[in-house]
Amino acid sequence: GQNIDQPTEMTATEGAIVQINCTYQTSGFNGLFWYQQHAGEAPTFLSYNVLDGLEEKGRFSSFLSRSKGYSYLLLKELQMKDSASYLCAVKVYGGSQGNLIFGKGTKLSVKP
Amino acid sequence: DAMVIQNPRYQVTQFGKPVTLSCSQTLNHNVMYWYQQKSSQAPKLLFHYYDKDFNNEADTPDNFQSRRPNTSFCFLDIRSPGLGDAAMYLCATSRDAGTGTAKNIQYFGAGTRLSVL
Repeated sequence: GQNIDQPTEMTATEGAIVQINCTYQTSGFNGLFWYQQHAGEAPTFLSYNVLDGLEEKGRFSSFLSRSKGYSYLLLKELQMKDSASYLCAVKVYGGSQGNLIFGKGTKLSVKP
Repeated sequence: DAMVIQNPRYQVTQFGKPVTLSCSQTLNHNVMYWYQQKSSQAPKLLFHYYDKDFNNEADTPDNFQSRRPNTSFCFLDIRSPGLGDAAMYLCATSRDAGTGTAKNIQYFGAGTRLSVL
């Protein structure tokens, strides 16, 4: 079966750094996405990893270890507007082309 | 500026009464997807269209159907909604199928929240 695990909720302070972890056990692996979803809004693309290592994009970085089935999203210099759910999604082999398997998301609350 | 537009944002229907949700896109993408997302759950893919080719997920109930009359529009039809079908329905698009390891970003609409009374 397909399984993606993320913490349900996290709380952090404005200006701090937070790391959101994601572990996966899937039938094949063709890349891992992170999406941000504010309450009542569309998920928006944040990052994509297909090779091991760190991808940095401004305040956001994402790391992947394929051998460990593990990824994290790192958010630096947290701002209040970063309060949202963060969805980890894995693209798998076969089935529907471009098929993404999503985790349940991590709800991040940023406090002053 | 909205690229993937879903209407309506909120839809209330009665148990067993057919309902249609709509999605339009201005991106001219080949692929359109429909996801179901229940509270605190992961988005679950129902089906997708690659151009006119329909691809149904194996576990999508027959109660859910879809139409894509042209590149820009895609509809989700729920023939006989049950209480368990109350959820957020997300439409997404991507430029291509993203086979292999090609990055294939999916762009989402804001969703339609369906309530079944």
